[in-house]
Amino acid sequence: AQSVTQLGSHVSVSEGALVLLRCNYSSSVPPYLFWYVQYPNQGLQLLLKYTTGATLVKGINGFEAEFKKSETSFHLTKPSAHMSDAAEYFCAVSDAGANSKLTFGKGITLSVRP
Amino acid sequence: KAGVTQTPRYLIKTRGQQVTLSCSPISGHRSVSWYQQTPGQGLQFLFEYFSETQRNKGNFPGRFSGRQFSNSRSEMNVSTLELGDSALYLCASSPGGAGLRYEQYFGPGTRLTVT
Repeated sequence: AQSVTQLGSHVSVSEGALVLLRCNYSSSVPPYLFWYVQYPNQGLQLLLKYTTGATLVKGINGFEAEFKKSETSFHLTKPSAHMSDAAEYFCAVSDAGANSKLTFGKGITLSVRP
Repeated sequence: KAGVTQTPRYLIKTRGQQVTLSCSPISGHRSVSWYQQTPGQGLQFLFEYFSETQRNKGNFPGRFSGRQFSNSRSEMNVSTLELGDSALYLCASSPGGAGLRYEQYFGPGTRLTVT
């Protein structure tokens, strides 16, 4: 079985500061990894994904994440936070099997202080 | 392309009733997945349909069911509603092909409140 751990439920940063949202996964097979963002009263939007190849993945809105197999991590970063980044962020994992499915972490709420 | 649409956006039902939620995927997408989102349990996978067949199923009771039509539109049904079924129900579509299978595009959700 696969699982995702997102430590902490809330992160607060100042505008212009580094954003770091942590994600650790558990998978017995090579994983596909994803970060999604959810704004209030909206569905989820894909920020970025890792399937194979380059371990540093760049996504939308200036976000990026690095797949580290030895640490079973896929942390999300952004060099400079913007007020519009305030939202809930979900890390998710799946495998490439025929009957695989997305397993989500609990989510982290990001607040950005002016 | 139009995004994933879900109807209705909001629903209030009484315990014991049943409810049907609808999802229209992005044009050309053949896979539709359903998720339940609650503050306590987070996002939980309900089921996935591909070409009118249920391809994968989560750990939910039989009161939760779904189907997919030939045009890829999908419905999910919850019978004998319980208070704990109050949640945001999200639908996601994807092309369904290998390698892109889990690039899922989510709809805005249906907020179900059971009283």
